[in-house]
Amino acid sequence: GAGVSQSPRYKVAKRGQDVALRCDPISGHVSLFWYQQALGQGPEFLTYFQNEAQLDKSGLPSDRFFAERPEGSVSTLKIQRTQQEDSAVYLCASSSQRLAGPFTGELFFGEGSRLTVL
Amino acid sequence: AQSVTQLGSHVSVSEGALVLLRCNYSSSVPPYLFWYVQYPNQGLQLLLKYTSAATLVKGINGFEAEFKKSETSFHLTKPSAHMSDAAEYFCAVSYNDMRFGAGTRLTVKP
Repeated sequence: GAGVSQSPRYKVAKRGQDVALRCDPISGHVSLFWYQQALGQGPEFLTYFQNEAQLDKSGLPSDRFFAERPEGSVSTLKIQRTQQEDSAVYLCASSSQRLAGPFTGELFFGEGSRLTVL
Repeated sequence: AQSVTQLGSHVSVSEGALVLLRCNYSSSVPPYLFWYVQYPNQGLQLLLKYTSAATLVKGINGFEAEFKKSETSFHLTKPSAHMSDAAEYFCAVSYNDMRFGAGTRLTVKP
């Protein structure tokens, strides 16, 4: 498709389960971002990829969170041993611009994956 | 570090009235500022951006924003609200990454 695609759109997990969230960015986009959006809040930065390289993972809240983009296109955000505080919408965004100093490009967002941990 | 603060989590206006959504930034370097809009059940999309060219920036759907360095502000305005403008609006600042504000939900009353 032409836009950023995320799956699943909705995921319910029991506390302690592992989950994997997938992002298909726009074809050819080198930059890929993951954000976490809690209810009533703005997107919080999690991590950034330039092609297959994870250049910034400073926003990942704990070592239970892991992201990869092995071939520089599709990315997966994995959350191990989910906790209730992980409940949020996880947003993926891509851009044709590389993040090298000021970022002036447009981010194209997917519709998000809503994770509910019971 | 760069950050933005959006004043007012909810704004309600009547159809045809002025829309004013407030955003103040904090940045130790010249900022690049953005407004994104999120319609229900859709992803965020770019409304407009300031990247150190003209201080008055025009975006889609009749929105515009003015960069005021003296006030460290980048407020979003639209002269006449439409029902279709009802959405969540996010201000963002970038330097080495992109940081978003908490958002302002705009309600438009008929």
